[in-house]
Amino acid sequence: GAGVSQSPSNKVTEKGKDVELRCDPISGHTALYWYRQSLGQGLEFLIYFQGNSAPDKSGLPSDRFSAERTGGSVSTLTIQRTQQEDSAVYLCASSPTVQKNSPLHFGNGTRLTVT
Amino acid sequence: AQSVTQLGSHVSVSEGALVLLRCNYSSSVPPYLFWYVQYPNQGLQLLLKYTTGATLVKGINGFEAEFKKSETSFHLTKPSAHMSDAAEYFCAVSVAGGSYIPTFGRGTSLIVHP
Repeated sequence: GAGVSQSPSNKVTEKGKDVELRCDPISGHTALYWYRQSLGQGLEFLIYFQGNSAPDKSGLPSDRFSAERTGGSVSTLTIQRTQQEDSAVYLCASSPTVQKNSPLHFGNGTRLTVT
Repeated sequence: AQSVTQLGSHVSVSEGALVLLRCNYSSSVPPYLFWYVQYPNQGLQLLLKYTTGATLVKGINGFEAEFKKSETSFHLTKPSAHMSDAAEYFCAVSVAGGSYIPTFGRGTSLIVHP
């Protein structure tokens, strides 16, 4: 079946511009996660959505970052006034439930380059 | 809060040799542990997971890991490396106190020489 889909796969933007990254999770998955992967830094948690509950935004690095999930499905991560340090691969993942042993299903990521 | 430490950002082995990737975790409550693999330009894929029960866990592609509570470790092994095993490997931990949001290690790049 279809996996987690992210678009665009690559994005180059100028410093100061806003960008939107899209994630389409696996159908029926109630949990959705955004992580940021920087070279040598592993995966940094950004934000988590579970069903209709308020999202866990504890990982967002600044108020320039925001995310929403419409209709419990598609999610958009928005970065305003991009900075060079925002350059990274942004990974989206979904899981069927929030059960403790439920693994994450990842998309292929969006590679963001801020020039 | 939970954390994960992966010893060695790069591990190099010869084809056919034993693969050992190290992972240590920190958690004040029983953890749930995962290993993921990432091939170039792809997302992460689950290799194996430990939740409860048997401490030796077998995963895909011949990998296995052993949960050792006394050592707070969850090292990943494979008896014989293949060229196709070259990838980035991530260890992750989730716990009840952290809303089960997985915390990942920094990753270990496995290099396999012919």
